Amino acid sequence: GENVEQHPSTLSVQEGDSAVIKCTYSDSASNYFPWYKQELGKGPQLIIDIRSNVGEKKDQRIAVTLNKTAKHFSLHITETQPEDSAVYFCAASPSRGYQKVTFGTGTKLQVIP
Amino acid sequence: DVKVTQSSRYLVKRTGEKVFLECVQDMDHENMFWYRQDPGLGLRLIYFSYDVKMKEKGDIPEGYSVSREKKERFSLILESASTNQTSMYLCASSPGLAGQETQYFGPGTRLLVL
Repeated sequence: GENVEQHPSTLSVQEGDSAVIKCTYSDSASNYFPWYKQELGKGPQLIIDIRSNVGEKKDQRIAVTLNKTAKHFSLHITETQPEDSAVYFCAASPSRGYQKVTFGTGTKLQVIP
Repeated sequence: DVKVTQSSRYLVKRTGEKVFLECVQDMDHENMFWYRQDPGLGLRLIYFSYDVKMKEKGDIPEGYSVSREKKERFSLILESASTNQTSMYLCASSPGLAGQETQYFGPGTRLLVL
């Protein structure tokens, strides 16, 4: 089955700096890579996703890059703000039938004002 | 807005008790999921369902069962609770193909088994 590794497990940055979270996956059939943000006391919420037919996707201050050859993808947050403090999860899923999403172990991001 | 609700935010149960966790979604989604979340282990899939009365095992189904009698409701059952099932339980739903669409999560149920 799919295995998703995520690093780092914790990340502290100064407000205004950039943050990068990296993930690798094992199943070459995976072609959908979502990122979820979990704020304290809430369930995870999708913030951005990318499919294997593109190498990069941006949405305002967040971007995701995908390298299918190396089987890794990354989340980039620029101009970080205190409200970006949360736990972030990467995930991967293949396109075959009723396939499940496999999540990474999470990164706790702290943005220091 | 999609809304996924879970019956309890906090539960305290005794070892050996039968525990029911209920999840309801209001967006007519085909797929529903149960995860458990533990520090350092991320989200691990227990079971999912892609249709009424259908269920598929996830990565850690041992000690759990599920029921989906109606499209909007997905129940997780701990047949005989044990202390190692103390965890945060998250329910989610999604439309379309199970692994290829946004999952919408409930707020979670924190279960403590004594």
